[in-house]
Amino acid sequence: DTGVSQNPRHKITKRGQNVTFRCDPISEHNRLYWYRQTLGQGPEFLTYFQNEAQLEKSRLLSDRFSAERPKGSFSTLEIQRTEQGDSAMYLCASSPPGTGNNEQFFGPGTRLTVL
Amino acid sequence: GENVEQHPSTLSVQEGDSAVIKCTYSDSASNYFPWYKQELGKGPQLIIDIRSNVGEKKDQRIAVTLNKTAKHFSLHITETQPEDSAVYFCAASDRGSTLGRLYFGRGTQLTVWP
Repeated sequence: DTGVSQNPRHKITKRGQNVTFRCDPISEHNRLYWYRQTLGQGPEFLTYFQNEAQLEKSRLLSDRFSAERPKGSFSTLEIQRTEQGDSAMYLCASSPPGTGNNEQFFGPGTRLTVL
Repeated sequence: GENVEQHPSTLSVQEGDSAVIKCTYSDSASNYFPWYKQELGKGPQLIIDIRSNVGEKKDQRIAVTLNKTAKHFSLHITETQPEDSAVYFCAASDRGSTLGRLYFGRGTQLTVWP
């Protein structure tokens, strides 16, 4: 399968715990995005990487959230001290290189439930 | 930032009929408009997109139209089938920027009755 993959697919945690999600983009896609989607809403942008550089973070990404893409391939999104409001689907998307080429291909998402 | 509005929020059609979903956007700099289909428990799937230098694009039963002056774009699905049932999202982006983030509408739940 050459699509975007995300792990785990589901995560249930207790409030206050830390969680980490992983995204593996499509091979050779240098751009990687994280979005969050709550029930009945469209995805909302969280952060963006071009290669290993994190170029933008949304104001939605509080200090408890951190994302990395250390070698410009896979990325991780960590949420510290989870809160019930963090419950959502976390989506990763990747995009191929090239100016003006902005097709974003999404993975299946990680559904987080904070109890 | 960009604001994308999408209507209707729900749409029910009989199999074989056409379905139309409309979106408006606020930022005149936006020049890339993709549409995604999301089935239950899955990530959004890109089904068609249009760039600002084109007014209409068609791919089999799916077509998109763009009116840059009015800042609105629409998705048209003809000869609908039950497997078209899903949530559809429109989005807008300034693809010329280095950021390329997508701004999504709130989605339309399409139900196609056999």
